[in-house]
Amino acid sequence: GQQLNQSPQSMFIQEGEDVSMNCTSSSIFNTWLWYKQDPGEGPVLLIALYKAGELTSNGRLTAQFGITRKDSFLNISASIPSDVGIYFCAGRTGANSKLTFGKGITLSVRP
Amino acid sequence: SAVISQKPSRDICQRGTSLTIQCQVDSQVTMMFWYRQQPGQSLTLIATANQGSEATYESGFVIDKFPISRPNLTFSTLTVSNMSPEDSSIYLCSVDRTGTSSYNEQFFGPGTRLTVL
Repeated sequence: GQQLNQSPQSMFIQEGEDVSMNCTSSSIFNTWLWYKQDPGEGPVLLIALYKAGELTSNGRLTAQFGITRKDSFLNISASIPSDVGIYFCAGRTGANSKLTFGKGITLSVRP
Repeated sequence: SAVISQKPSRDICQRGTSLTIQCQVDSQVTMMFWYRQQPGQSLTLIATANQGSEATYESGFVIDKFPISRPNLTFSTLTVSNMSPEDSSIYLCSVDRTGTSSYNEQFFGPGTRLTVL
């Protein structure tokens, strides 16, 4: 079946640093979504991408839909302590197909 | 976005009992989804619930264990039946909503944290 690969499992950065996270697949996806999950909460949608090559920003977050449609990345610039959480990528192969999730990356930010 | 609420937010249950989780959405949606997130893991889709028809279950999940109701376009319930400690997870409700780009985006409720003793 389709799988989304996120690695490493954990990342540790200093406050103020930028960080980039990748999500890759062996299958083609038509939609890429990035979510953040805080402890005890449901995932919150950060950015949605719908076209190959698309680059979208949301505040300090920037995400890109890879040109091959098999990958996406999320950048966080000038990290702050509240960026701590688990970041999941998710993708769809069709407009109404179910979402496939990556395993998530736990981000820690040292003050 | 979508405003989704779930009840209960958490519960501790005894082995062999059942728990029904409620999901309420702020406006009508065609499809509602139920996910399970085991400790430290990613999200796994349990089933898709459409109003007026039986839920569609993913491989590894069966109706006898996870019966779902969808009585109207803003509400759904998931029951975790005959619970065992392996059912200890966060259960999440989600919905698709058309975003500003005219594509479907999926939004999640806050989750129900279930512990089975």
